[in-house]
Amino acid sequence: KQEVTQIPAALSVPEGENLVLNCSFTDSAIYNLQWFRQDPGKGLTSLLLIQSSQREQTSGRLNASLDKSSGRSTLYIAASQPGDSATYLCAGSFQKLVFGTGTRLLVSP
Amino acid sequence: DTGVSQNPRHKITKRGQNVTFRCDPISEHNRLYWYRQTLGQGPEFLTYFQNEAQLEKSRLLSDRFSAERPKGSFSTLEIQRTEQGDSAMYLCASSPGLAAGALGFFGPGTRLTVL
Repeated sequence: KQEVTQIPAALSVPEGENLVLNCSFTDSAIYNLQWFRQDPGKGLTSLLLIQSSQREQTSGRLNASLDKSSGRSTLYIAASQPGDSATYLCAGSFQKLVFGTGTRLLVSP
Repeated sequence: DTGVSQNPRHKITKRGQNVTFRCDPISEHNRLYWYRQTLGQGPEFLTYFQNEAQLEKSRLLSDRFSAERPKGSFSTLEIQRTEQGDSAMYLCASSPGLAAGALGFFGPGTRLTVL
């Protein structure tokens, strides 16, 4: 069964900290790994897409890595800001996306 | 093209009523997906289409749910005899057909509240 797990479920940090969100998946036959941001009551915004042949992707203060052999991905957020507060979801791409339950991030000023 | 659109954005209905949601994908994408998300959970797959063909349905999609994509463009998701447990955010996504694996181009979602 294709499962995606995210830890921690929730994270609270002061502004300026660097932080790491973790995602693990059970099926290494993954095509891609995608990270999303979701604000309360809103839809999903794609942050980063890592194709299976890649090991990492960067966008601004965000860096995501992918290790298919260990079934893990991490999202690194540098110099966190209050505007980063949201739920972060990772999804393994197969014929469909399989999502984790997300990490709720709160960055305090 | 401005992306995936969904209508309505919000729907409040009484238990037992039927509801229908519409999704318009990115025009050049031939794959279309429906997901459901409840509070505190990640989106769960419901069904997907390649052009007009419905290729996979989740066990979550009971016989009260039906999805169509008659001309391979927009799609509708109908829920008959709604129950309170159907209250959720219904998300639609589209993906290029040539991509290996699903890519997540999501619409804003339709939030359903069943009273």
